[in-house]
Amino acid sequence: ETGVTQTPRHLVMGMTNKKSLKCEQHLGHNAMYWYKQSAKKPLELMFVYSLEERVENNSVPSRFSPECPNSSHLFLHLHTLQPEDSALYLCASSQGGRSNIQYFGAGTRLSVL
Amino acid sequence: AQTVTQSQPEMSVQEAETVTLSCTYDTSESDYYLFWYKQPPSRQMILVIRQEAYKQQNATENRFSVNFQKAAKSFSLKISDSQLGDAAMYFCAYRRVDSGYALNFGKGTSLLVTP
Repeated sequence: ETGVTQTPRHLVMGMTNKKSLKCEQHLGHNAMYWYKQSAKKPLELMFVYSLEERVENNSVPSRFSPECPNSSHLFLHLHTLQPEDSALYLCASSQGGRSNIQYFGAGTRLSVL
Repeated sequence: AQTVTQSQPEMSVQEAETVTLSCTYDTSESDYYLFWYKQPPSRQMILVIRQEAYKQQNATENRFSVNFQKAAKSFSLKISDSQLGDAAMYFCAYRRVDSGYALNFGKGTSLLVTP
């Protein structure tokens, strides 16, 4: 049982496709995150939304487009991706505050052909 | 920028034994949090334990404990009475209290538990 749910679990797409990753949190948190996890590299923070406003964008290419329609849902829209974008994409949420503990979903494994 | 280093790509431990995973970090800040996360094959990152830099007492959660050496910037995780279910990737992470949201992760240590 997880408080952060990501769909789909696996996604294969061509370089010209458009797809979206979805994240939903059931924890009542007010911040949501997208991370990229590639082999042999530390997790990379991509985007942060707090109270539905984007507060961090770590030099992510424009082919990744986040959307946060409300505090429970977060999307990552993908278009014209490159093979090097193949990775595990993790969503997290937190309540903010001093410790700001982040809780993660199980990720979407993305393969770009 | 803060960096987190996990110098052990892989570790192995026998069931019921104790293992220690290493983590060092680089920071000029005095107020921060440190975390250990576990990522089993199911891929979900699970918080194992956290430590606030201002607290001298080492955090403990059941079989998991840390050795926090603030001056040495070291934050190791000790797993006692290892179980097969402990097999996973373990990530050390750092977060400044006043920097907003960013968690800085190490590259991880893969823990194998043998019967």
